[in-house]
Amino acid sequence: EAQVTQNPRYLITVTGKKLTVTCSQNMNHEYMSWYRQDPGLGLRQIYYSMNVEVTDKGDVPEGYKVSRKEKRNFPLILESPSPNQTSLYFCASSSRTGHYTFGSGTRLTVV
Amino acid sequence: GEDVEQSLFLSVREGDSSVINCTYTDSSSTYLYWYKQEPGAGLQLLTYIFSNMDMKQDQRLTVLLNKKDKHLSLRIADTQTGDSAIYFCAESSSNFGNEKLTFGTGTRLTIIP
Repeated sequence: EAQVTQNPRYLITVTGKKLTVTCSQNMNHEYMSWYRQDPGLGLRQIYYSMNVEVTDKGDVPEGYKVSRKEKRNFPLILESPSPNQTSLYFCASSSRTGHYTFGSGTRLTVV
Repeated sequence: GEDVEQSLFLSVREGDSSVINCTYTDSSSTYLYWYKQEPGAGLQLLTYIFSNMDMKQDQRLTVLLNKKDKHLSLRIADTQTGDSAIYFCAESSSNFGNEKLTFGTGTRLTIIP
């Protein structure tokens, strides 16, 4: 089944403790992207990647890092999480001319 | 930058038609999308329209695009309880690929029995 898989689905962590949210797609898509969803703000793009080793900032990249060492994986790294990064995170992928498929989301709480 | 706006809430009686509206600012939008998000779930692509089209119909869904006014709407005919969800309008303005979707705030559709 074609899908985007994120892990974990839920995560509670403490301020400053580094964490990684994984994202994997099995559709051989070139494009991958991370969004965060906050009430009243919709989804905002954090980072995106056009292919292996090609990444760029979205609208809200501060406090986040990404890497794209393999085509299928696009992890989101929070080196020193803060409470304002409490949010619902979505990974998505698409082919160059197709439409995005979204993962099921990761709900992160930073206390 | 690009901006997409939607009202936050809509309530509709079961069996009536729902109309969810969206406005956008980017005149170079190529595709406009409607996504559905059910509670606890990810985003499901409902439908999309290319910017040179005026209307697209898919079963109970009708999308209308007024490019002059930069206005997009989604009509759901015969609204059912299973249509309760948050509906996001999004636009893509990349001419070379799919770097970015710009989303609206989402409209929470509530069905009144």
